[in-house]
Amino acid sequence: RKEVEQDPGPFNVPEGATVAFNCTYSNSASQSFFWYRQDCRKEPKLLMSVYSSGNEDGRFTAQLNRASQYISLLIRDSKLSDSATYLCVSLSNTGKLIFGQGTTLQVKP
Amino acid sequence: DVKVTQSSRYLVKRTGEKVFLECVQDMDHENMFWYRQDPGLGLRLIYFSYDVKMKEKGDIPEGYSVSREKKERFSLILESASTNQTSMYLCASSSVGQGSNTEAFFGQGTRLTVV
Repeated sequence: RKEVEQDPGPFNVPEGATVAFNCTYSNSASQSFFWYRQDCRKEPKLLMSVYSSGNEDGRFTAQLNRASQYISLLIRDSKLSDSATYLCVSLSNTGKLIFGQGTTLQVKP
Repeated sequence: DVKVTQSSRYLVKRTGEKVFLECVQDMDHENMFWYRQDPGLGLRLIYFSYDVKMKEKGDIPEGYSVSREKKERFSLILESASTNQTSMYLCASSSVGQGSNTEAFFGQGTRLTVV
């Protein structure tokens, strides 16, 4: 079983839709979590960190559920420019960054 | 404001060649990583370094070695390149802090083709 798992999608949604991604992790000792965004042929870039109480940044909301060991990312009012691959990342207690496979989002007009 | 720099964007090497991929970060980060990214497999950790001269194997270290002689530089070495090492290689660095104090940045990636 992979340490961090995501549904690869693709998720095809119309502009303006709300879309949610989930990510599960197996290492209960993981300390911190992040969502990265990766555009085609580019390097991943940090979208947001995930705090235990949830974190909101504009149209994006990230939440962590330690009991069930999953992290979620909610995107409201989707834009065409949100089309990308979204990577879920856990930071282990040893400092390792472990990536999920990524979830592809395609926002259509 | 470049933070993590990889030496080459595109590289073509022959089977059996020794290949060096260099990565430099200017953020004084303790941790540095090498990943490879392949379609359908996501980012897989090759090696990880948490301090100068310290290294730890990731999920797929076979066929690779690393060197960290200085804090800012982490090199990935393919001892004898093979065609199954054709991939996108990404270097990253991160600080040690937890939660909101943690930050990680990636280099622009090196697309390596072994022929």
